Amino acid sequence: ETGVTQSPTHLIKTRGQQVTLRCSSQSGHNTVSWYQQALGQGPQFIFQYYREEENGRGNFPPRFSGLQFPNYSSELNVNALELDDSALYLCASSLGGQAFFGQGTRLTVV
Amino acid sequence: AQRVTQPEKLLSVFKGAPVELKCNYSYSGSPELFWYVQYSRQRLQLLLRHISRESIKGFTADLNKGETSFHLKKPFAQEEDSAMYYCALGGMNRDDKIIFGKGTRLHILP
Repeated sequence: ETGVTQSPTHLIKTRGQQVTLRCSSQSGHNTVSWYQQALGQGPQFIFQYYREEENGRGNFPPRFSGLQFPNYSSELNVNALELDDSALYLCASSLGGQAFFGQGTRLTVV
Repeated sequence: AQRVTQPEKLLSVFKGAPVELKCNYSYSGSPELFWYVQYSRQRLQLLLRHISRESIKGFTADLNKGETSFHLKKPFAQEEDSAMYYCALGGMNRDDKIIFGKGTRLHILP
């Protein structure tokens, strides 16, 4: 069992609202990445944080933003939610290139 | 540009038959290739990585730089191998992002 935990596990939001998803990294991992997994698709890279700084970003608009804290935990914030933002959001902490995933947060935008 | 292609969305194989899940990649540098697996109702987890040259649960994968492929193979399929398999590509640097293919669902027939 990995040490990456995400909260909440499920969330329902209304279009236009804002959401914050949280991730607690595995102990000793200083890199955290966020992925969006739409139904029937592979995980799509959103961005990565390394020692509290953004270190790479995928093809996602600026309303997707994040933070990494000194203890290496992380948040994903999404503003102005759209229906297409409905997906499973995965957090992964990594060390030496191997990523360990959390169980994900299922976000539904209605 | 980094890209991972898994040409098969679904692969059905009889129990005891050989399995090959195809993966091709595009990367300008020294790639690191992974196979991740997601069993029903479980989180995404690492199955194997090319750098370790291991056999996990009877699966092996060889990196072919000439063909830019990293196909996953198992000589004799077992029912418990039914799962979603994702090929993933990262770089050799610690902070390189990991890019996933769209995944192949492996269905083992009794």
